[in-house]
Amino acid sequence: AQRVTQPEKLLSVFKGAPVELKCNYSYSGSPELFWYVQYSRQRLQLLLRHISRESIKGFTADLNKGETSFHLKKPFAQEEDSAMYYCALSGGYQKVTFGTGTKLQVIP
Amino acid sequence: DVKVTQSSRYLVKRTGEKVFLECVQDMDHENMFWYRQDPGLGLRLIYFSYDVKMKEKGDIPEGYSVSREKKERFSLILESASTNQTSMYLCASGADEKLFFGSGTQLSVL
Repeated sequence: AQRVTQPEKLLSVFKGAPVELKCNYSYSGSPELFWYVQYSRQRLQLLLRHISRESIKGFTADLNKGETSFHLKKPFAQEEDSAMYYCALSGGYQKVTFGTGTKLQVIP
Repeated sequence: DVKVTQSSRYLVKRTGEKVFLECVQDMDHENMFWYRQDPGLGLRLIYFSYDVKMKEKGDIPEGYSVSREKKERFSLILESASTNQTSMYLCASGADEKLFFGSGTQLSVL
């Protein structure tokens, strides 16, 4: 079975402060990990994926297989980062499982 | 741009009614998915399909069925709607494990 855990429902940070959204996963094979974001009144969209090893809008995420984690980080939060963030895992047979989501609130 | 279109933005149905939610994608993707999105529960996978006429149960298939007769269209069916199926339903299509989502259908079952 594959499972994604996001322990925080809400994360509030001040503008300019560092951000870390936590994600842990459970999967017996080699997973593909993703972060998706949903801004207010917009569709859910892909933010980044671990195999790309890229930085999108200043966000990065590193896959730590030892800790089975894929935390999302940004050094300096901006107001436009306020959104709902979902961690997702793609395991076998094309099945994509999402976590419960973390709402990021950036306080001006 | 990839387009995933869900036929209705808002839908109100009565308990016991048969409900059809339609989803169409224009990118020739093999994989299509139906999720429901509930506050505090995130996205939960109902069914997915990796090819025409092929379907796989997700994590919460009970009370739902799906149909994929053509590659571009994936339908979610509630055989007999119940109040606990009131939710936001999201359709997605995917390639290379990257998903593109529709704008969602907010279904209310009264």
